[in-house]
Amino acid sequence: AQSVTQLDSQVPVFEEAPVELRCNYSSSVSVYLFWYVQYPNQGLQLLLKYLSGSTLVKGINGFEAEFNKSQTSFHLRKPSVHISDTAEYFCAVTWGYNTDKLIFGTGTRLQVFP
Amino acid sequence: ETGVTQSPTHLIKTRGQQVTLRCSSQSGHNTVSWYQQALGQGPQFIFQYYREEENGRGNFPPRFSGLQFPNYSSELNVNALELDDSALYLCASSPETSGSFYNEQFFGPGTRLTVL
Repeated sequence: AQSVTQLDSQVPVFEEAPVELRCNYSSSVSVYLFWYVQYPNQGLQLLLKYLSGSTLVKGINGFEAEFNKSQTSFHLRKPSVHISDTAEYFCAVTWGYNTDKLIFGTGTRLQVFP
Repeated sequence: ETGVTQSPTHLIKTRGQQVTLRCSSQSGHNTVSWYQQALGQGPQFIFQYYREEENGRGNFPPRFSGLQFPNYSSELNVNALELDDSALYLCASSPETSGSFYNEQFFGPGTRLTVL
């Protein structure tokens, strides 16, 4: 069965500092990987996705993630965070074939301080 | 182009009652998925509807049921509400379910259900 682990429930960081949010997955088949962001009292917005091809994926708002098949990881990074990046971030996986069911991690709360 | 909309925004019910949540899919989308997001948790897949038929179900009891209409809007019905049903319910629509390629899901803002 597929599963997603987000290793950090909270990540505090100062503005303009770099950040990495960690995500590991478990699957016996090839997967598609996603990062979503959720601002307070809102739904989910897709940041980026890995479907195939280059393992370095660039998304919106300056975020990027690297798919590492050998380490079954898909960590999210941003070189310089802004106050407005404060939100909940979810890593998700699906295996695609004839299903769009997404399996989510438990989320990482990114708190950016001035 | 209108995005995914959900109604109502908030809802308060008491234990044992029944509730219906509604979702209007994005224009051109024929697939709707429902997720439950409990406080402090990631969303959990409830079920998916494709062209008015259920197309996959997560680990939720039968008192969670759904419906998709010819215009591809959808309802989530929950009978015999329990306290643990308190959560944010998210609807997501996607353009097509193909055999070998993922179709991006677009999420609505959710309905916050509180069961007292």
